[in-house]
Amino acid sequence: EVQLLESGGGLVQPGGSLRLSCEASGFIFSNYAMSWVRQAPGKGLEWVSVITGTSGATYYAGSVRGRFTISRDNSNNTVSLLMKGLRADDTARYYCVKDGCLGGACYSERLDHWGQGTVVTVSA
Amino acid sequence: DIQMTQSPSSLSAPEGDRVTITCQASEHIFEYVNWYQQKPGKAPKLLIYDVVKLESGVPSRFSGSGSGTSFSFSISSLQPEDVAIYYCQQYSSLPLTFGGGTNVEIK
Repeated sequence: EVQLLESGGGLVQPGGSLRLSCEASGFIFSNYAMSWVRQAPGKGLEWVSVITGTSGATYYAGSVRGRFTISRDNSNNTVSLLMKGLRADDTARYYCVKDGCLGGACYSERLDHWGQGTVVTVSA
Repeated sequence: DIQMTQSPSSLSAPEGDRVTITCQASEHIFEYVNWYQQKPGKAPKLLIYDVVKLESGVPSRFSGSGSGTSFSFSISSLQPEDVAIYYCQQYSSLPLTFGGGTNVEIK
């Protein structure tokens, strides 16, 4: 059974930093692309970033490019999101998501398993 | 960025009715469309991928169709457990983008 467990959310002041982590199990982690998707309170879904499986290529939404960094540790089955320069509009629940995209340079096919999310609140 | 315009934003229908949600892409996206269900307080769940393929374990009353720029999602017989928000999503190009969501309720 695929399991994704996020951690690291919390309250942070504007301009601050936070690192989210996601521990994955139940599948061959290194083979699959992993994304972060966020949802602001009462709003819809917004894709944030993806890191591909074996190649480890990274891509970002324009709203976070240059401030957020996605990384993965295939030996520990974890994916992380380092968030710097946080703004009030980054306030959201952040979901760690496994993609059905297998291997190579494939960045996404379908977001087939979602964690329960971790809440980030940016406020003074 | 590819815009996904989803309609309606909400709908209410009697149990057993057929309901349909549409999604219009701002450019041609072939068949790179997925549909998700999000129940209150829960994470989204993949229901349909590649326009028409049912994710494992998803009831057959859910279906999808379309190609190019116009896509639709249907529930053939609405059940109480289908109360949720439904989202379309394209993966033709980055950034991945979602429709605005459709809130489905039982009348």
